[in-house]
Amino acid sequence: EAGVAQSPRYKIIEKRQSVAFWCNPISGHATLYWYQQILGQGPKLLIQFQNNGVVDDSQLPKDRFSAERLKGVDSTLKIQPAKLEDSAVYLCASSLVAGSSYNEQFFGPGTRLTVL
Amino acid sequence: SQQGEEDPQALSIQEGENATMNCSYKTSINNLQWYRQNSGRGLVHLILIRSNEREKHSGRLRVTLDTSKKSSSLLITASRAADTASYFCATDEKGAQKLVFGQGTRLTINP
Repeated sequence: EAGVAQSPRYKIIEKRQSVAFWCNPISGHATLYWYQQILGQGPKLLIQFQNNGVVDDSQLPKDRFSAERLKGVDSTLKIQPAKLEDSAVYLCASSLVAGSSYNEQFFGPGTRLTVL
Repeated sequence: SQQGEEDPQALSIQEGENATMNCSYKTSINNLQWYRQNSGRGLVHLILIRSNEREKHSGRLRVTLDTSKKSSSLLITASRAADTASYFCATDEKGAQKLVFGQGTRLTINP
């Protein structure tokens, strides 16, 4: 079974530029998550989709971050404009169903973003 | 916000020894999960323990959960160099439909 795919793996941009990340979840997984992981910390949930609807985006900085999941499959996360503090690894994860008592998440390899 | 607090933040032991990591949390949970992250990689699910369970085993892993103290521990027995990684606890909070991760324990196994 193919895992969660993410691209690109690495991205270096200058502050105030825009960047977009792509994620393809495991086939059949209804729920998709984007996390931000700053060096030395645990992942922080940015946004959670169930199919193509947003379940939780309470920690997404909406003035500069946006995400979409068209057709309930692939997803893109965009930052515009980027700030220095956005330097982090952006992880995408998927799970079969959210809201159940068993909620194992499968993670992609992440995109390491460096903002100069 | 991050709920889990892990202890210690870093742990270095000799190969063959046992490693114990602890996690404390604040709210009511459906379950608690442990994940491993190798350097530069995504997270891998290790084990899940439900709120009505007290202990669970999987290979060399042993997890305990004390809901009265809101704490969990992960024991890795007979450690190997390949166990070198960061370990995160994550709580599936009741009513929240999401996982909240701790800060992690960085484990180093010395050959």
